[in-house]
Amino acid sequence: DAKTTQPPSMDCAEGRAANLPCNHSTISGNEYVYWYRQIHSQGPQYIIHGLKNNETNEMASLIITEDRKSSTLILPHATLRDTAVYYCIVRAGGSQGNLIFGKGTKLSVKP
Amino acid sequence: GAVVSQHPSRVICKSGTSVKIECRSLDFQATTMFWYRQFPKKSLMLMATSNEGSKATYEQGVEKDKFLINHASLTLSTLTVTSAHPEDSSFYICSVSGVGNQPQHFGDGTRLSIL
Repeated sequence: DAKTTQPPSMDCAEGRAANLPCNHSTISGNEYVYWYRQIHSQGPQYIIHGLKNNETNEMASLIITEDRKSSTLILPHATLRDTAVYYCIVRAGGSQGNLIFGKGTKLSVKP
Repeated sequence: GAVVSQHPSRVICKSGTSVKIECRSLDFQATTMFWYRQFPKKSLMLMATSNEGSKATYEQGVEKDKFLINHASLTLSTLTVTSAHPEDSSFYICSVSGVGNQPQHFGDGTRLSIL
């Protein structure tokens, strides 16, 4: 699975959009980009995933660049409850293997 | 709603005790489940892959006789920490492998504290 690079931490004002970047320059054609978050003392929560098209669900939007070497997770209106560590993970489609977690981005939403 | 149920959420026990943690897949049959461990301020580290009907696959450095895994049905995997010691205190998390490109889903974790 391709390696990902994320900033260690970010701050965001409550009510504003949080844009979390992820670099995955070695991504392969069959690899998907998955985003999870982990709120303190809980298991990771699935947010969204995509292959090459932008995706949106009730939690967030995922913007993948045309060359697929980077992506951005967008929380449109961040709340205090969105404070968490966000993980960007790349994995081959159809893989039944485990997820490899990096250090993620610690997002702090401030009032 | 929850896709994976993990129980118990917290355990505090004396050194030498064996502790069993259950992980249940609620929405679908899971031939593969994963067990992770997370130390404070660290990321999740895979301990073992649990395969229904066969032996678990352990990561390097994880003692299979210490961390017993049983995956006897398509909806239940258990992790037993045998003769637990204070250094086994950690946050243990299970996950269920998704089908095709569907995502893995995680349990809420078990906080194990050995006194």
